[in-house]
Amino acid sequence: EAQVTQNPRYLITVTGKKLTVTCSQNMNHEYMSWYRQDPGLGLRQIYYSMNVEVTDKGDVPEGYKVSRKEKRNFPLILESPSPNQTSLYFCASSGQAGRSPLHFGNGTRLTVT
Amino acid sequence: GENVEQHPSTLSVQEGDSAVIKCTYSDSASNYFPWYKQELGKRPQLIIDIRSNVGEKKDQRIAVTLNKTAKHFSLHITETQPEDSAVYFCAASPPNTGGFKTIFGAGTRLFVKA
Repeated sequence: EAQVTQNPRYLITVTGKKLTVTCSQNMNHEYMSWYRQDPGLGLRQIYYSMNVEVTDKGDVPEGYKVSRKEKRNFPLILESPSPNQTSLYFCASSGQAGRSPLHFGNGTRLTVT
Repeated sequence: GENVEQHPSTLSVQEGDSAVIKCTYSDSASNYFPWYKQELGKRPQLIIDIRSNVGEKKDQRIAVTLNKTAKHFSLHITETQPEDSAVYFCAASPPNTGGFKTIFGAGTRLFVKA
């Protein structure tokens, strides 16, 4: 089954404790992206990747890192999480950047205390 | 940079009525405009999309219209049903240096009353 898999689904952590949210897709998509969803603000892009080893900032990249060492994986790294990063995070992939739909993972709800 | 504005933020209709959600975008280089539906507690999923070389696209009860000159596009849902209740997001994908961002509208919460 074609899908985007995120883990974990729920995560509660404390300020400053490094964490990684994994994302994997099995559709051989070149484009992958991370979004955060907050009430009233919609989906805001954090980082995106056009292909392996090619990443770029979205609109809200501060406090996040990403890497794209393999085509299928695009982890999101929070080196020193803060409470304002409490949010619902979605990973997504697309076969053709800017021309075809995004396929979303099931989301990761992160709480930073 | 690209900005996508979506209206209204909340829409309540009676079952069987039509619903219209409108979006405007700022970057004329955007060429692809998808609409996503997000049910409560679930991920966004594509319901319809349109490319800049067409002005209208229809899929059963759902249609999207695009006016490139005015830089706005709209989602039309006819004969609404309770299962249409969800949050709807429009999006645009302006080209960026070396890539494409995806910018979403803030969302419209649609309530369909039975």
